Amino acid sequence: EIVLTQSPDFQSVTPKEKVTITCRASQSIGSSLHWYQQKPDQSPKLLIKYASQSFSGVPSRFSGSGSGTDFTLTINSLEAEDAATYYCHQSSSLPYTFGQGTKLEIK
Amino acid sequence: QVQLQESGPGLVKPSQTLSLTCTVSGGSISSGDYYWSWIRQPPGKGLEWIGYIYYSGSTYYNPSLKSRVTISVDTSKNQFSLKLSSVTAADTAVYYCARARYSLSYWGQGTLVTVSS
Repeated sequence: EIVLTQSPDFQSVTPKEKVTITCRASQSIGSSLHWYQQKPDQSPKLLIKYASQSFSGVPSRFSGSGSGTDFTLTINSLEAEDAATYYCHQSSSLPYTFGQGTKLEIK
Repeated sequence: QVQLQESGPGLVKPSQTLSLTCTVSGGSISSGDYYWSWIRQPPGKGLEWIGYIYYSGSTYYNPSLKSRVTISVDTSKNQFSLKLSSVTAADTAVYYCARARYSLSYWGQGTLVTVSS
């Protein structure tokens, strides 16, 4: 089973700041890495698929990069509505797995 | 736009079987382009992928749950279902259904299932 490790677990940030969340896989997964945003009491929503492809309707301030074992989700010019927990997910190898999540708090 | 909606009992007794159904609207399960998945999230914790089913009935289950999980599909009703047997308190979670083509593009709102006597 592929283990995904996100960092940091928690981050407190101010609006308009640039945020970077990383996801490291225990073995190479190519570009089969996806990012989700989950706000309190809501279901997760797909932000980025295949490491760098934005999902339909996602604001342009969200972007992704990486391949192999190291991946990054970047949020440019953070907005208050971006307060959420962010998860990475790999679909390279069954069973599919998720990172433990990164909680973003807006100051 | 495709929508998914989970339904089923919110309370299940220990050792019994948890049963949930996901109804899909705005798209056909039989289109063949997607895998239909179940994911769960214990209160305050992260996401765990349970398994998926293809419209043909082929399935894959997470080995951690494989002995207790059955996922089935009813294409005539545009629904797919989850059964989890011999539940314990550790199975208390919000259960989500989702449409997958490797990434999980659309999710249901989730339903909380509590295992308690």
